Amino acid sequence: AQSVTQLGSHVSVSEGALVLLRCNYSSSVPPYLFWYVQYPNQGLQLLLKYTTGATLVKGINGFEAEFKKSETSFHLTKPSAHMSDAAEYFCAVSGGSGGGADGLTFGKGTHLIIQP
Amino acid sequence: DTGVSQNPRHKITKRGQNVTFRCDPISEHNRLYWYRQTLGQGPEFLTYFQNEAQLEKSRLLSDRFSAERPKGSFSTLEIQRTEQGDSAMYLCASSLGYREQFFGPGTRLTVL
Repeated sequence: AQSVTQLGSHVSVSEGALVLLRCNYSSSVPPYLFWYVQYPNQGLQLLLKYTTGATLVKGINGFEAEFKKSETSFHLTKPSAHMSDAAEYFCAVSGGSGGGADGLTFGKGTHLIIQP
Repeated sequence: DTGVSQNPRHKITKRGQNVTFRCDPISEHNRLYWYRQTLGQGPEFLTYFQNEAQLEKSRLLSDRFSAERPKGSFSTLEIQRTEQGDSAMYLCASSLGYREQFFGPGTRLTVL
């Protein structure tokens, strides 16, 4: 069974500051890991994914995440926050063949607030 | 590229009524997934199809829920005898094989 823990249901940063959203996972098989963003009343948009290979992955809108197997973590970062980054962020994991053969398991989400 | 579409976007119904939602995936995607998202929570997996075959169902999917994908294209999710606890956002996603899932905008169900 897989699970995802996102530390902090709300994170507030100032515009221009570093964004760090934490995600830890558990998986009995090598995981595939994802970060999705959700704006109010909309579906989820993929920010980035880790499958195999390079552990530092870059995504859209300047976000990146690093897969650390020893820490079972996949934290999301962005060097400089923008007002448009305010949204709900979800970390998700799948296992086995990884693309979602058995559905994604999501964390509870982190609401990112950007202070002007 | 039309993306994943879902209809209706909003549905308000009275307890005990049946409701049906539709999902149209990205045209070349062979896998289709349904998730449920309640307020303040992440999406929870309900079921998925590969082409027309329903290959997995979560224990969250009670007997009142049924999903179909008759020709391996669009899918419907029906909830019979709705309960207030069914109020949620129902999300559909599609993928090409094992690749990443693309989500639709969701159908928000309110059961009065």
